[in-house]
Amino acid sequence: EVQLVESGGGLVQPGGSLRLSCAASGFSFSTYYMHWVRQAPGEGLMWVSRINSDGGHTIFADSVKDRFTVSRDNEKSTMYLQMNSLRVEDTGVYYCARVDPRPGAWYFDLWGRGTLVTVSS
Amino acid sequence: EIVLTQSPGTLSLSPGERATLSCRASQSVNYNYLAWFQQKPGQTPRLLIYGASSRATGIPDRFSGSGSGTDFTLTISRLEPEDLAVYYCQQYVTAPLTFGQGTKVEI
Repeated sequence: EVQLVESGGGLVQPGGSLRLSCAASGFSFSTYYMHWVRQAPGEGLMWVSRINSDGGHTIFADSVKDRFTVSRDNEKSTMYLQMNSLRVEDTGVYYCARVDPRPGAWYFDLWGRGTLVTVSS
Repeated sequence: EIVLTQSPGTLSLSPGERATLSCRASQSVNYNYLAWFQQKPGQTPRLLIYGASSRATGIPDRFSGSGSGTDFTLTISRLEPEDLAVYYCQQYVTAPLTFGQGTKVEI
């Protein structure tokens, strides 16, 4: 089955750290760009970061730049989001999503079910 | 950053009616790299439309997308009860990728 499964969410205090994982199966993970998108409780969707297919290039939303890093292990078909210096406003469901890197196909065509991160004291 | 503004915020309609959802961009979305997603309560977003007007795999033909440049529309021709959801537009032409704030469709 083609799927993405996130894990690693939980409750963390402000200023703390957390590492999320996104495990892929059923497709050729190493050929896809991967993204993180988050959704605060009751709110809309916000793009967080992107990593290219070989992991050599990453980009981030301004609100998380210098605090979050993204990496991937293509041998394990897994992407990671390392979140440091967490803030209350980082609270939300974190989704991973895949993107075909071919021109014209840069849309999110597969999403995971998400993992909840709660930043609170 | 391309800001996407969706209207209306909420749309209340009856089964069988036509729903028209708007997405306006603060600058031109080149190549019509605009997608629409449906998010039902408690569920993951699902891709409906990409390239402004191409239906994703398995999406019923009552869903259609149109528009170009800065003005885009998602039309649901005959509402079904299961279309109750929040609908988001999203541009994927340039980083940061951005979403509209969503339109809630009530049936």
